Amino acid sequence: DTEVTQTPKHLVMGMTNKKSLKCEQHMGHRAMYWYKQKAKKPPELMFVYSYEKLSINESVPSRFSPECPNSSLLNLHLHALQPEDSALYLCASSQEGQVETQYFGPGTRLLVL
Amino acid sequence: AQKITQTQPGMFVQEKEAVTLDCTYDTSDPSYGLFWYKQPSSGEMIFLIYQGSYDQQNATEGRYSLNFQKARKSANLVISASQLGDSAMYFCAMRGSTDSWGKLQFGAGTQVVVTP
Repeated sequence: DTEVTQTPKHLVMGMTNKKSLKCEQHMGHRAMYWYKQKAKKPPELMFVYSYEKLSINESVPSRFSPECPNSSLLNLHLHALQPEDSALYLCASSQEGQVETQYFGPGTRLLVL
Repeated sequence: AQKITQTQPGMFVQEKEAVTLDCTYDTSDPSYGLFWYKQPSSGEMIFLIYQGSYDQQNATEGRYSLNFQKARKSANLVISASQLGDSAMYFCAMRGSTDSWGKLQFGAGTQVVVTP
């Protein structure tokens, strides 16, 4: 089973709102990732968690706050976003290891008004 | 630094025909992995096929095969017997053994449209 789930599928929020994106995997993977993808572009890495600890933050603005409550769950807390943050947010997971395959979820389409 | 190049922004292919999507890469890592992903308009990034830099054989997965030419630093994806459901964006990606841990470098993508 190579399933990664993400909720919600779509999210519309105002610039003063606080919302969270959720990601879950049950493949026993110990690495989880958040990516941001704009239309017609490849995904851009935002954060990497390894064994529930943040190992990479790609200089993401603090209005995005990741959290890894346990090895199966990954959250992305959103606060005071800007319209340019509107994008598809993809979660992925993999076994630990630098050339391991990353498996992606279906994504959350975020629109910031 | 690593770089992935996909030179075909888009292509049309007729149903039942084979199509080759080009991917070249540049890395100084001795060990690396090459991946192809498919992204339909729904947004999900679907893993298709993997080739390790030390693998002697070209990878195959069903109708997908990877034409790996290490000396030329190319990793082209071949889709045989195209189906309408193959219409999607296809991304080539690479992870190196000495690069920042977890970083998957993507190419710009190739949009494939399969016509009846």
